[in-house]
Amino acid sequence: LAKTTQPISMDSYEGQEVNITCSHNNIATNDYITWYQQFPSQGPRFIIQGYKTKVTNEVASLFIPADRKSSTLSLPRVSLSDTAVYYCLVGDKGDDKIIFGKGTRLHILP
Amino acid sequence: NAGVTQTPKFQVLKTGQSMTLQCAQDMNHEYMSWYRQDPGMGLRLIHYSVGAGITDQGEVPNGYNVSRSTTEDFPLRLLSAAPSQTSVYFCASSYSRVQETQYFGPGTRLLVL
Repeated sequence: LAKTTQPISMDSYEGQEVNITCSHNNIATNDYITWYQQFPSQGPRFIIQGYKTKVTNEVASLFIPADRKSSTLSLPRVSLSDTAVYYCLVGDKGDDKIIFGKGTRLHILP
Repeated sequence: NAGVTQTPKFQVLKTGQSMTLQCAQDMNHEYMSWYRQDPGMGLRLIHYSVGAGITDQGEVPNGYNVSRSTTEDFPLRLLSAAPSQTSVYFCASSYSRVQETQYFGPGTRLLVL
């Protein structure tokens, strides 16, 4: 499984756009990039998944450059309720193990 | 659908005691897994199962046993609890293998004295 590197923590303010970047230099051809969100005292929940270029849903956008060695999760106009830990995962759909790193602790300030 | 359910929500054990954490899903998911999360840390994979009758070790399997006799249930057994096993335990499931959307249970908080 490709190893990922994310910032340990980030602070931002309500109403701003937040971008969290994940590095995955040894990503394999068949690997997908998936992001999860975890609120305090809850299990993680799926946010978005992509393979290349850009993916957007009602919660976030995921930007993946051509070399796929990094990806950026973009949260538009964050609110206090977006305070959470965000995990970037990289792996093949055929992988058996899902490995979470330490994630990025995002703290939204009023 | 209830999704992924876990029982108990909270448990206190004494060192050396054994117990089973229950996990069940009603989504007919083949893939199930157990994670532990220590304070301020990410999730670490304990054991996983790709289908009934098949289990395998994750990152931190020592001190834990699992079995998968049915598609729905995936219990985690602590054989002889140790204070180092104090953690929050999450069970997850997905339709098939990795990189399908994982659905997590609410977690079990375990305190080992």
